[in-house]
This record gives sequence, C-alpha cells and structure tokens, in this order.
Amino acid sequence: DTGVSQDPRHKITKRGQNVTFRCDPISEHNRLYWYRQTLGQGPEFLTYFQNEAQLEKSRLLSDRFSAERPKGSFSTLEIQRTEQGDSAMYLCASSTRWGLAGEEQFFGPGTRLTVL
Amino acid sequence: SQQGEEDPQALSIQEGENATMNCSYKTSINNLQWYRQNSGRGLVHLILIRSNEREKHSGRLRVTLDTSKKSSSLLITASRAADTASYFCATDDPRVYFGTGTSLTVIP
Repeated sequence: DTGVSQDPRHKITKRGQNVTFRCDPISEHNRLYWYRQTLGQGPEFLTYFQNEAQLEKSRLLSDRFSAERPKGSFSTLEIQRTEQGDSAMYLCASSTRWGLAGEEQFFGPGTRLTVL
Repeated sequence: SQQGEEDPQALSIQEGENATMNCSYKTSINNLQWYRQNSGRGLVHLILIRSNEREKHSGRLRVTLDTSKKSSSLLITASRAADTASYFCATDDPRVYFGTGTSLTVIP
C-alpha cells in the first residue's frame, strides 16, 4: 500500500498562469476529497468525488477551479488564471464509504502552490 | 467555512503531563474525528467517534462527545515530545469540515 500520492509537491507559478495538480488515492478507496490549507488554519473543504461523480463543491471553489476524476481513480485539480490568494497547500484525501458509517480519511503529502 | 473550533489555540505542557483540547461545532453531525498534523507526517487520523457514542479510547487518547452541547474533547495522557503537533477536529455532516486547530507543544 503506497498511500495517497500527490504531484507535484511544490509548484511556483506566476499570476495569471494555469496550474494542474494530480492526486492518486489508495486504490480501493471510492471517495476522494480536495482541501486547501493556509498557514495557521485547518484544511478547508473544496470538493469530493464518489467514484467518478463529483458530489459536492464548496463555495470556495470559484469558476477558476475545476476538478475531475474521470475513471474513478486519480483526480486532477486545475486552477486557471491563478491569483496570489490561491497560494496555499492543496491536500487530497481518500476514504471508503459504505452506508452511513463514518470513515477515516487518508491524506496525501499535499501540493504547495506559490503564486508570484 | 469551517464548522469546528478548537480551544485552546495553543497549548504548551511538560512531557508526562496530560493535554486536553476541546472542539465546538455548529450543526448536527454523523461522526466527529480528530486528526494530528505535523511537518514530518502530514495529516494523520487519530480517532473517530459516532454521534451515538459518548466516549472512546485509543491507546493514550480519550475522546468524549456531547451532542447536546455540540462539543468534543481530546485528552492525551502521559504526553511525549513526539505528540508535538497541531490537532484538528473534523465533523462529518456528511461534508467533512475541519476546525482551526490546537497547536500542542510538549517540552521534554
């Protein structure tokens, strides 16, 4: 079990550029989450997938953000026309979810984005 | 917005002492979870307590949940320097929202 992986680990970009992050969840997990975390704050929920279906998007996820999970395995998060306020750590997590039982989320190491 | 709020924001104790941190949340939940985050290991799940449970133990961790007060507490007994980290509660309603965290420093 290799855990949740994210790529790249660090990304520095100029304002206005587009960036794309990738998340590979634990293989048997059907749920995948994206969070954003800024310094001194807890992770903020952005969106989540159940298999390939995007079930919910936070109001934090502006039109410049889009996430996909085309085959129910890996996911990508794209930010278009980046702004300095997008600078943060982007975390991906995965879990199994059956019925109404709660689930432990397994987190990846994150992608740190710096927008200059 | 974040639903949970941890208290205190920062806590500093001597090794061997117990550490208690609290979490308050706003809406009804299915479950509440506690996570730890440090620079070395990222975010790691500690314990999950369901809305119909009042107390749960895992090793040196004890979690309580009071749904009438919409609050939870995490007790770490016999703290170690390795427990130095930020601790977050996360509520599942079913979206998962994290609190702002308690920064715990355990002094050897």
